[in-house]
Amino acid sequence: AAGVIQSPRHLIKEKRETATLKCYPIPRHDTVYWYQQGPGQDPQFLISFYEKMQSDKGSIPDRFSAQQFSDYHSELNMSSLELGDSALYFCASSPGPNTEAFFGQGTRLTVV
Amino acid sequence: DAKTTQPPSMDCAEGRAANLPCNHSTISGNEYVYWYRQIHSQGPQYIIHGLKNNETNEMASLIITEDRKSSTLILPHATLRDTAVYYCIVRVAGNTPLVFGKGTRLSVIA
Repeated sequence: AAGVIQSPRHLIKEKRETATLKCYPIPRHDTVYWYQQGPGQDPQFLISFYEKMQSDKGSIPDRFSAQQFSDYHSELNMSSLELGDSALYFCASSPGPNTEAFFGQGTRLTVV
Repeated sequence: DAKTTQPPSMDCAEGRAANLPCNHSTISGNEYVYWYRQIHSQGPQYIIHGLKNNETNEMASLIITEDRKSSTLILPHATLRDTAVYYCIVRVAGNTPLVFGKGTRLSVIA
């Protein structure tokens, strides 16, 4: 079965650079969630979209922005990268309310 | 603010049932109980969820107390591959995000 696809799987950036992470949800899933997981930490919710509109906002820094496109894929844009942004970034999608969310394998971002 | 309380770690012998408790004493009527697990830096994996009735699927069983203030996830025959961090999450009905707490690190021992 198709799963949530994230790209790239690994990314190395320097401080103050920008990065774009992409998420392709499972077909016919209309909701996308983004999470950040620092080393030794639990996943932290960043932001979510439902039907291409932002639906919930968590602890997303102002330097980050995200959107969901007409084909339902989503991109997380990160600017002025800091060392502390080094983390695993997960995307998840779900097909509707009160249903389980399925996670991708994540993008490991390393800021040097 | 954490809505759930779980023991930080548990051990289970391979082949035995693993019973993972979760306390959610402030749960509201429109909140579901979800269980996910994360195996070493992989994406969290959905296990099961329920509102008030007990639920069972091919992975696990979820037992929710009548007052809904606590629940137990049961892995009937734990294997080494079940070693992971298990998260109990209380989630408002709808498309609301899953909010992860600290979870329980389950170690299955041969």
